[in-house]
Amino acid sequence: DAGVIQSPRHEVTEMGQEVTLRCKPISGHDYLFWYRQTMMRGLELLIYFNNNVPIDDSGMPEDRFSAKMPNASFSTLKIQPSEPRDSAVYFCASSLLAGFSGANVLTFGAGSRLTVL
Amino acid sequence: SQQGEEDPQALSIQEGENATMNCSYKTSINNLQWYRQNSGRGLVHLILIRSNEREKHSGRLRVTLDTSKKSSSLLITASRAADTASYFCATPTGGTYKYIFGTGTRLKVLA
Repeated sequence: DAGVIQSPRHEVTEMGQEVTLRCKPISGHDYLFWYRQTMMRGLELLIYFNNNVPIDDSGMPEDRFSAKMPNASFSTLKIQPSEPRDSAVYFCASSLLAGFSGANVLTFGAGSRLTVL
Repeated sequence: SQQGEEDPQALSIQEGENATMNCSYKTSINNLQWYRQNSGRGLVHLILIRSNEREKHSGRLRVTLDTSKKSSSLLITASRAADTASYFCATPTGGTYKYIFGTGTRLKVLA
């Protein structure tokens, strides 16, 4: 398996533009997480899905952010309109719930570095 | 809000020495995980310890968990330059699969 695949790896855009980040989780994994990482706030969980259904989006900063998972092999995180404070590295991670143990081990993608000018 | 807080924030040691970093968390958990992040890369899972375990080993890694103190420690023995990275603890919150990461410890191993 190629692991969790994110695109684009780098994105530079102007304030007000729409940004779409993409993620392909590991085949067979039933959880998908979107995190954002900045120096100031560290790693923040934005939203996570289970079997393509959003379970908790309480970390999504504002209505400008939206995430979808139309099928088990694809998810998007969209920012519209983007602002300079959205500049960060966005990570997607997927996992498979380990049966009765209730533990999820997350496999992360390489991240998408977003710069909003 | 942060569930886990690592200590120290940064650590610099010589190759061959041991590195210890600590994590404190706020709520009851059923497991705690440690991850490593090399510069410019995604996080990589290192080790998982369950709430009914007190200590776990994996190669040069040793993790302890004290649920009464809500704390965990990660020990890397005989460190190598390749261990230079940031290390994070992660815990599930509120009985969910919502994993919250700590602030991280930046480890630098000098050759």
